[in-house]
Amino acid sequence: AAGVIQSPRHLIKEKRETATLKCYPIPRHDTVYWYQQGPGQDPQFLISFYEKMQSDKGSIPDRFSAQQFSDYHSELNMSSLELGDSALYFCASSFGTLYEQYFGPGTRLTVT
Amino acid sequence: AQKVTQAQTEISVVEKEDVTLDCVYETRDTTYYLFWYKQPPSGELVFLIRRNSFDEQNEISGRYSWNFQKSTSSFNFTITASQVVDSAVYFCALVAGGTSYGKLTFGQGTILTVHP
Repeated sequence: AAGVIQSPRHLIKEKRETATLKCYPIPRHDTVYWYQQGPGQDPQFLISFYEKMQSDKGSIPDRFSAQQFSDYHSELNMSSLELGDSALYFCASSFGTLYEQYFGPGTRLTVT
Repeated sequence: AQKVTQAQTEISVVEKEDVTLDCVYETRDTTYYLFWYKQPPSGELVFLIRRNSFDEQNEISGRYSWNFQKSTSSFNFTITASQVVDSAVYFCALVAGGTSYGKLTFGQGTILTVHP
């Protein structure tokens, strides 16, 4: 079965640089979520989209923005990167907002 | 606001032992959904189970079983006859039905180590 695809899998950036993370949901899933997981932490919700509209927003820094495109893929844009942004970034998708979310493999971002 | 608490930070067992991971949740919503996810050392998050607040039936899937008790706001997870491949971090999570638009609130996770 098709899974959630995230790219890139690993990303190394320097402070103050910009990064773009991509997410391709499972076909026919209409909802996409982004989570950030720091080392030894639980995943923290960043933002979600339902049918290409932002549906909820968590503790996402103003330096971050995201959108969902007409083909349902989503991108998380991160600017002015800081050392504290180093984390595993997960994208998840679901069919509707109250059903199980299937997670992608994550993008490991390292900011040096 | 929602909250999920997993009291056990780490559990260590020997293969074939049974192990129970505890999960207690808090929410004011009458409709909510509970989940368990597994995060093996490779890092991905694997969905295990979803229960809604109106269904207190316990569930068994192979060596895995889940005990949902609304009276104690608990959703515990038991692995029977544990195996080394069960070693992972296990997260309990909650979605509130009314206002969260599907946002998962995770517990802190329980690190399970199964020794051969």
